[in-house]
Amino acid sequence: ETGVTQTPRHLVMGMTNKKSLKCEQHLGHNAMYWYKQSAKKPLELMFVYSLEERVENNSVPSRFSPECPNSSHLFLHLHTLQPEDSALYLCASSQGDRFYNSPLHFGNGTRLTVT
Amino acid sequence: TQLLEQSPQFLSIQEGENLTVYCNSSSVFSSLQWYRQEPGEGPVLLVTVVTGGEVKKLKRLTFQFGDARKDSSLHITAAQPGDTGLYLCAGPHKAAGNKLTFGGGTRVLVKP
Repeated sequence: ETGVTQTPRHLVMGMTNKKSLKCEQHLGHNAMYWYKQSAKKPLELMFVYSLEERVENNSVPSRFSPECPNSSHLFLHLHTLQPEDSALYLCASSQGDRFYNSPLHFGNGTRLTVT
Repeated sequence: TQLLEQSPQFLSIQEGENLTVYCNSSSVFSSLQWYRQEPGEGPVLLVTVVTGGEVKKLKRLTFQFGDARKDSSLHITAAQPGDTGLYLCAGPHKAAGNKLTFGGGTRVLVKP
């Protein structure tokens, strides 16, 4: 198993659909993250979970809803998205007390297209 | 204005040539990380630099952290097609609540 696995790799959804992105880490890390990567913009941090507790919600619209049932799994539930939400969504994990400084291990992302 | 500015945004070179990409800020960083993201994949950590003036080498890649810890550079010697990718620098910044802040990246294309 690779370190951080994301499914699905590609997702096309309409603006009225509800879908979920899944992330699983096999590294024993204690923090997990969702990032958004859009064309010509830096990686944007969306959510951070440390020991299954959300410690960061970076002004993300409520149409994105994260869930972290345990330290190995992270979900991003999507509903009533907008076309501008089309992007690559990356999950990452890290280990350490000062997790903001810790190196990140990324999954290969879910390429989301909202039509 | 981004906290970390990377330049150039895009670089296309022939195999065997050398290249340097830059990561600059007006702020001091306690450390900087460099990642490479290949097409269709997530970013992969290459190195972390911590001490001002530090130089780290990873095979043909040389990373330098500025003396004032406000900038960093990545130099690739004799580039190969496998070096193609998006190079990202990132560091924790107080203005962002010490969250890891990423630069916009430099997209490198090494042609055979």
